Amino acid sequence: DTGVSQNPRHKITKRGQNVTFRCDPISEHNRLYWYRQTLGQGPEFLTYFQNEAQLEKSRLLSDRFSAERPKGSFSTLEIQRTEQGDSAMYLCASSLDRGKKDGYTFGSGTRLTVV
Amino acid sequence: AQSVTQLGSHVSVSEGALVLLRCNYSSSVPPYLFWYVQYPNQGLQLLLKYTSAATLVKGINGFEAEFKKSETSFHLTKPSAHMSDAAEYFCAVSYISGYALNFGKGTSLLVTP
Repeated sequence: DTGVSQNPRHKITKRGQNVTFRCDPISEHNRLYWYRQTLGQGPEFLTYFQNEAQLEKSRLLSDRFSAERPKGSFSTLEIQRTEQGDSAMYLCASSLDRGKKDGYTFGSGTRLTVV
Repeated sequence: AQSVTQLGSHVSVSEGALVLLRCNYSSSVPPYLFWYVQYPNQGLQLLLKYTSAATLVKGINGFEAEFKKSETSFHLTKPSAHMSDAAEYFCAVSYISGYALNFGKGTSLLVTP
C-alpha cells in the first residue's frame, strides 16, 4: 500500500491550454474524490466516484472540467481552456465504503499554475 | 448550509504550551467530524475523527478533540506543543446523507521556541 499517488506534482501552463492530472488511489478503495484548494482556503469538493461511476458533482465543476475513472481504478481530471482562476492545488482522496465515517486518505496534490 | 467554522485563521503558541484550535459546526443531522493536518506542499493527513461513539476522541501525535453537542463544537487540543506541530489544521464535517467532506478555512498553527 503506497497511499494515494498524484501526478504531476506541479504543472505550469499557459492560459487557454488543456491540462490533465492523474490520481492513483489505494488499490482496495472503491471511492475516489477530487477536491480543489486555493491559497488560504480549505479544500472544496469537486466530484466523487464509486468504482467507475461518477455519482456526485459540485457546482464548482464547470463544463471545462471533466473527470473519469474508466476501470474503477485510477482517475483523471482534465481542465480545458484553462483560466488563471483555475490556479490551485488539486487534491485526490480515496476511501472504502465507510469513507463518510472513516475519513479519506489524501494524495499530496497537483499544484496548477496558469500563467 | 451545513458547514464548519474555524475561529482564528492564525494561532501562535510557545513550545510546550497548550494548543487549542476551535471548530464549530452547523448541522441539522448528527455529523461526522474530522480534523486534518496539512504540511506545506503536502496533502492532508487525518488526525482524528468523531463518529458518534466516545465524545472525547484521541488522535495521532498527542492530539485530541471533544465533541460537545450543546455547544456544536469539536475543538482540537494538545497539552504541549512541539515545533513539529507547526502546520495548517482543517476541521471537516460529513453527513449521513452525503459523501463529500465540507472543510473549514483552516487555522495556521505557529509554534515559537
